[in-house]
This record gives sequence, structure tokens and C-alpha cells, in this order.
Amino acid sequence: DQQVKQNSPSLSVQEGRISILNCDYTNSMFDYFLWYKKYPAEGPTFLISISSIKDKNEDGRFTVFLNKSAKHLSLHIVPSQPGDSAVYFCAALVSGTYKYIFGTGTRLKVLA
Amino acid sequence: DTAVSQTPKYLVTQMGNDKSIKCEQNLGHDTMYWYKQDSKKFLKIMFSYNNKELIINETVPNRFSPKSPDKAHLNLHINSLELGDSAVYFCASSQPLAVYQETQYFGPGTRLLVL
Repeated sequence: DQQVKQNSPSLSVQEGRISILNCDYTNSMFDYFLWYKKYPAEGPTFLISISSIKDKNEDGRFTVFLNKSAKHLSLHIVPSQPGDSAVYFCAALVSGTYKYIFGTGTRLKVLA
Repeated sequence: DTAVSQTPKYLVTQMGNDKSIKCEQNLGHDTMYWYKQDSKKFLKIMFSYNNKELIINETVPNRFSPKSPDKAHLNLHINSLELGDSAVYFCASSQPLAVYQETQYFGPGTRLLVL
């Protein structure tokens, strides 16, 4: 019963190009979504979030898009840099419940 | 000044042993969590405490017992370790300031290997 899915386990992108990471969810009660970045041997670190009342949130090179009807969100990184190479997890939450549900992650490799 | 710290970082032990993992956060957060990341890289919540009270207890064997002596600490004790307990265990904390402003801060993880 995987409520949050990241169907692409890995992605390779050339430096300077756009990276697009995708995430699908099944629970229509989720109203808050987050992206985390994880380097090897470290814990995940928060990157960007979006609430269900918005369809886009931007922070520097990172933009998250939410399509509620499709139950789909995506993270765009423009331009991609080698330091962005990491595993990216999306997470979903019913606000106030403290129960974060994570996807299985997508490993992004940005090639110099 | 690590915000969320865990000890030990690595733990190798024999099946049947009892072990503890400690977690401390210096962020002043009210809520702390334990997650398990298994071999399939699935990051799954196990427990959550808010102000030292258990608020989330997922379907976890009762060999796992969290203990929160105060708001800044959430320890995880595991009895009778099994091979399937081998995983990376992450502690996290959060402080929901307002609706849609929640995020979690994770520790570096404890890599547990049961032989």
C-alpha cells in the first residue's frame, strides 16, 4: 500500500539543463507535500514544499508543481548543477497528523 | 552544532541481542520521530512523540520500544534483534509553526547490521 510513488529510480541530466523529478500519490486527503534531498551517509534535508491550496512554489533554482486532479507533483531544478546529484524523496502529509509518507526516492546524477 | 544527532552511527550486533539508539535535537522542537529505511530504500515512519507523548505508533513489532525522557530526546530500544531489523534508522524532529509550514529535520542515521 504505497501511497506515495516515485516511479523513476534514477535520472541523469547534463549540467545546465533542467531536471524534472516526478511523484504520484493516491490519498486525496494529503494536503501538504515536501521534497527532500539526501546525500550518501547523511539524513534527508528539506528542500521545498507546497500546500494543496497552491499549484506552484518556487525557491531559487527549485520549483515544485502540484496537479491535484492528477494527484501528481514534480520538482524542477533549473539549471542543474553537479552538486545537485543526490537522492530526492517526495513526501506527503495530512496537515496536523504528523504522519509523513515518503516515496522511495529518485537518484539524480548531474553530469559535468 | 548538529541540530539532530544520533548515536551510534554504526551498530553491528548478533541476532538475539538487545540494543539502543539515542537521538537528541537542540532545535527546541516539540515533535520527534523514528524512521526505518530498509534495503529497498523505503523511508517508513515507525513512531512519533509530541511533548514526550506517543502520537504515532505504526505497525511495528513490540520488540521496538521508543522512550522519550524529555522533549529533546527520543531513544529507540530494540529487543531480541532479528536479521530483518538490519536497516538505517533515522531520527527526525519538527515544529509546526503554522498550517503548511511544517518540515522535518533529520539526523544522520544509524546503520544497524544484525548478523
